[in-house]
Amino acid sequence: EVQLVQSGGGLVQPGGSLRLSCAASGFTFSGYWMTWARQAPGKGLEWVANINVDGSEKYYVDSVKGRFTISRDNAKKSLHLQMDSLRVEDTAVYYCALNNAWRFDPWGQGARVTVSS
Amino acid sequence: QSALTQPPSASGSPGQSVAISCTGTSSDVGGYNSVSWYQQHPDKAPKLIIFEVNKRPSGVPDRFSGSKSGNTASLTVSGLQAEDEADYYCSSYAGRYNSVFGGGTKLTVL
Repeated sequence: EVQLVQSGGGLVQPGGSLRLSCAASGFTFSGYWMTWARQAPGKGLEWVANINVDGSEKYYVDSVKGRFTISRDNAKKSLHLQMDSLRVEDTAVYYCALNNAWRFDPWGQGARVTVSS
Repeated sequence: QSALTQPPSASGSPGQSVAISCTGTSSDVGGYNSVSWYQQHPDKAPKLIIFEVNKRPSGVPDRFSGSKSGNTASLTVSGLQAEDEADYYCSSYAGRYNSVFGGGTKLTVL
């Protein structure tokens, strides 16, 4: 079974940092792009970042450029999102997803990030 | 990186059909056939129901269908059932290895 299991998340003060992780199983992790998306409370989905198969190419939505870093460890079949200089507006549930030719399937269970003083 | 435009709500009675639109530009929806649709029930992760405009993953009922004309994609749900009540999101490849989602549509089964 193709599965993504997320960890991380929590409460952090504005300006702080947090790291999200996503453990993959059931597929050849090193053969697929991966994606992070988020959903603010009561709002819609927002694409956050994409990473290519070997981690050499990374792409971000403008609002997180310079603050968030997507990375992957193919040996450990894991995806990460390092979030620095967090802002109140970054408060959301963050999802990882397998990116197969720009369709996202499956998704992780989500990790809640709250940025508040 | 502007969000795709979806109507905030849609509704229909059981057994009826309902269509949800997703409007973008020639730089995303109109420029590629990489349009997908996702179903999200409350407090659950999104689930892929349509990819590449009109293809269904295995296990998704054929009551769900997709299409595209110009810069607008559409999701049609036929034979509405109570369990179809959910939020629906479109997404598209937006060039330069970026992606974009729609604002979401809340589907109510009356």
